[in-house]
Amino acid sequence: DAGVIQSPRHEVTEMGQEVTLRCKPISGHNSLFWYRQTMMRGLELLIYFNNNVPIDDSGMPEDRFSAKMPNASFSTLKIQPSEPRDSAVYFCASTPGRNTGELFFGEGSRLTVL
Amino acid sequence: AQTVTQSQPEMSVQEAETVTLSCTYDTSENNYYLFWYKQPPSRQMILVIRQEAYKQQNATENRFSVNFQKAAKSFSLKISDSQLGDTAMYFCASLSPSGNTGKLIFGQGTTLQVKP
Repeated sequence: DAGVIQSPRHEVTEMGQEVTLRCKPISGHNSLFWYRQTMMRGLELLIYFNNNVPIDDSGMPEDRFSAKMPNASFSTLKIQPSEPRDSAVYFCASTPGRNTGELFFGEGSRLTVL
Repeated sequence: AQTVTQSQPEMSVQEAETVTLSCTYDTSENNYYLFWYKQPPSRQMILVIRQEAYKQQNATENRFSVNFQKAAKSFSLKISDSQLGDTAMYFCASLSPSGNTGKLIFGQGTTLQVKP
């Protein structure tokens, strides 16, 4: 299995630009999570989906952030417009949804907003 | 609300020795799970060990074991015979299941350096 695949691995953009991060979960996993990691705040859960439906988006910082999961094999996290404080590593993770709690993480997308 | 606290930002240990990483948590749930994840320099998070709260027996996975003190809400990780490859950031996490899934909440992390 290829594991959770995230793209891009690195992105550098300027303030005000739109950023789209992509995630392909492991086939057969029906829960998907987006986390953000920064030095100051650690790992924060932004949003998670179960069977493509957003279950809890209370961690999404503000309206500039949006996430979609149009099908079981693809999710996006969009930031529009981006700000320097959005600079972080964004992780996507998936789980079979059998409540084991084991999340399978991608390698993360490092975002730098200048 | 679930919270997870790791009070040791950094630790170091000599190769082949034993080290214990601390974690405390808070939850109002009766049914929950606790985890330790490892994040090596490659950045990818890997599950190290998992403990179900209803089980009294401490989980063990090769050189990794936990000391689960439910009443004290403490969940420490012991790494025996430390190896250079254990150098990483370690995150304690808790999960309160909701339906088929649930939110995994992480602590702040402890950076562990294994010295040769």
